[in-house]
Amino acid sequence: GNSVTQMEGPVTLSEEAFLTINCTYTATGYPSLFWYVQYPGEGLQLLLKATKADDKGSNKGFEATYRKETTSFHLEKGSVQVSDSAVYFCALSDVYNTGNQFYFGTGTSLTVIP
Amino acid sequence: KAGVTQTPRYLIKTRGQQVTLSCSPISGHRSVSWYQQTPGQGLQFLFEYFSETQRNKGNFPGRFSGRQFSNSRSEMNVSTLELGDSALYLCASSLAGAGGQNEQFFGPGTRLTVL
Repeated sequence: GNSVTQMEGPVTLSEEAFLTINCTYTATGYPSLFWYVQYPGEGLQLLLKATKADDKGSNKGFEATYRKETTSFHLEKGSVQVSDSAVYFCALSDVYNTGNQFYFGTGTSLTVIP
Repeated sequence: KAGVTQTPRYLIKTRGQQVTLSCSPISGHRSVSWYQQTPGQGLQFLFEYFSETQRNKGNFPGRFSGRQFSNSRSEMNVSTLELGDSALYLCASSLAGAGGQNEQFFGPGTRLTVL
């Protein structure tokens, strides 16, 4: 079946530190991969996505590369800011699914301290 | 373009009652999905509706049901509430069509507390 595993949190970093949040997946078909971010009291927002192997998604300084050989989609940012404090969710959706069902990881809480 | 709206934002009910949550998708989006978010389980898929038909269903008991109207607005209903139903219920809309390339746009959620 389809599933997503992401690293447990919480993660606490100092401002300007390097961020990596690991995400691996299992899929029966050909998934698209996503990172969503949830700020306190809000719904989820798409951060970036990649739809095929070796694609790199990027947005707001965050990057993630779709690695089919390692079934991974790790999120990285070179220099985090306090405003990046949020919960980050890795997700997949199978291209051959008959609908729009997404599979989410459990989320990783990030706190950035000044 | 207005985003996904959910009403009400907060709800308090007691065990045994039933509740109806509402979701208005982004204009032009015909697919609406519902998720339950809890600290222990993360986001769990409830169901997806497309053109008034349930297209996908997650692994939840029959107490959880939903429907979609001709204007794509959707409601979900939970009957005979249990304490474990306390959660943030998120609605997401996306463009028509199947497959994983369509981004899902999420609403702010309805926070349900069951006492």
